[in-house]
Amino acid sequence: AQKVTQAQTEISVVEKEDVTLDCVYETRDTTYYLFWYKQPPSGELVFLIRRNSFDEQNEISGRYSWNFQKSTSSFNFTITASQVVDSAVYFCALSGGSNYKLTFGKGTLLTVNP
Amino acid sequence: DAGITQSPRHKVTETGTPVTLRCHQTENHRYMYWYRQDPGHGLRLIHYSYGVKDTDKGEVSDGYSVSRSKTEDFLLTLESATSSQTSVYFCAISESNLVGETQYFGPGTRLLVL
Repeated sequence: AQKVTQAQTEISVVEKEDVTLDCVYETRDTTYYLFWYKQPPSGELVFLIRRNSFDEQNEISGRYSWNFQKSTSSFNFTITASQVVDSAVYFCALSGGSNYKLTFGKGTLLTVNP
Repeated sequence: DAGITQSPRHKVTETGTPVTLRCHQTENHRYMYWYRQDPGHGLRLIHYSYGVKDTDKGEVSDGYSVSRSKTEDFLLTLESATSSQTSVYFCAISESNLVGETQYFGPGTRLLVL
């Protein structure tokens, strides 16, 4: 069975602080995919990134960066110089095996205060 | 924009009433999914489809049925709605590219069962 754990239920920071959202996963699949989605207060789910299990390169996209470590089964997400618009619930998810079904973590509510 | 629409966007119904939610996609994707989102649970898979008339159960399928008679439409039916089915329902499609699959989500349907 697959499992995704986001231990941080809520995080509150002040604008311009850096913040890291943790994600730990469990899977028996040798090939799998990891995802991050953002859900702003408006409610839609926005895809941020997909990482394949065979690609451990970290990725940076503007103020966002992702650290994938297979050795610790973690896929952490860092926002540098946070902004109020980053306030949202962030979900980590895992897909493996056939049919590409996603297993989600319970989400981390990030509040960025001005 | 993955061309996914959901209808209705909001619905209030009474216990014991049948309810059907519709997911419509315009880009001929093979895989479609229904998830529900509840506080403290993240998103959980209800049912999914891997082709016309090909469907399978997810993690929380009890009380739900689905149908897919056309590629573009995936229907979720609550045969006899219960208050525990009050939730936000998201439809998703899986989009392929050279490096793998990514799920994109519709805008969601808020269902309140009184």
